[in-house]
Amino acid sequence: ENVLTQSPGTLSLSPGERATLSCRASQSVRSNDLAWYQQKPGQAPRVLMYGTSTRATGIPDRFSGSGSGTDFTLTISRLEPEDFAVYYCQQYGSSPRYTFGQGTKLEIK
Amino acid sequence: EVQLVESGGGLIQPGRSLRLSCAVSGFTVSTNYMSWVRQAPGKGLEWVSVIYTDGETDYVDSVKGRFTISRDNSKNTLYLQMNSLRAEDTAVYYCARGRPNYGDFNYWGQGTLVTVSS
Repeated sequence: ENVLTQSPGTLSLSPGERATLSCRASQSVRSNDLAWYQQKPGQAPRVLMYGTSTRATGIPDRFSGSGSGTDFTLTISRLEPEDFAVYYCQQYGSSPRYTFGQGTKLEIK
Repeated sequence: EVQLVESGGGLIQPGRSLRLSCAVSGFTVSTNYMSWVRQAPGKGLEWVSVIYTDGETDYVDSVKGRFTISRDNSKNTLYLQMNSLRAEDTAVYYCARGRPNYGDFNYWGQGTLVTVSS
């Protein structure tokens, strides 16, 4: 099983600051198979980044993704009030076919 | 417009069965990888099952032998038959479409809550 470990568990920042979220995999992940999601309370997750670094449709360019192998990063360059949410990384690979990280809660400081 | 609409959730006793449905519009279920993903109350996301375009299926270990994913091409609908339900199956269940050639889910339904309790 490819376990994804996200850090930190909670990130407290102010609007306008830069956020850096980490996702570490226990086994190598193909670049096409790493994604990031944002989830707000009571809503379904929304994909932000796919293929490690490609922004999904409608996602602003303050969001960026990077990484390779086992270490991946989601960066939000300047936090807007609507960015405070829970973020998950996710990979596609061997059994179980898909796995998610445990999530990083981005909260207003 | 793409829409995925889940239904079939509710309160169910342990050991009983429930079938979830996901009615899809805007794309064809049979030509896409379709999955169920669940989220226990206050917890993270857990992938449950996938059905591939060729009809092959896969499951997370915790539901193997109890859950069955299927689709009805004529109704463009995805299903999850859940048998021998346990308290730990309590969650919001989402259906989701896999993006072609990538490993993410680019469309999600709004979810349906399954509560397993006596």
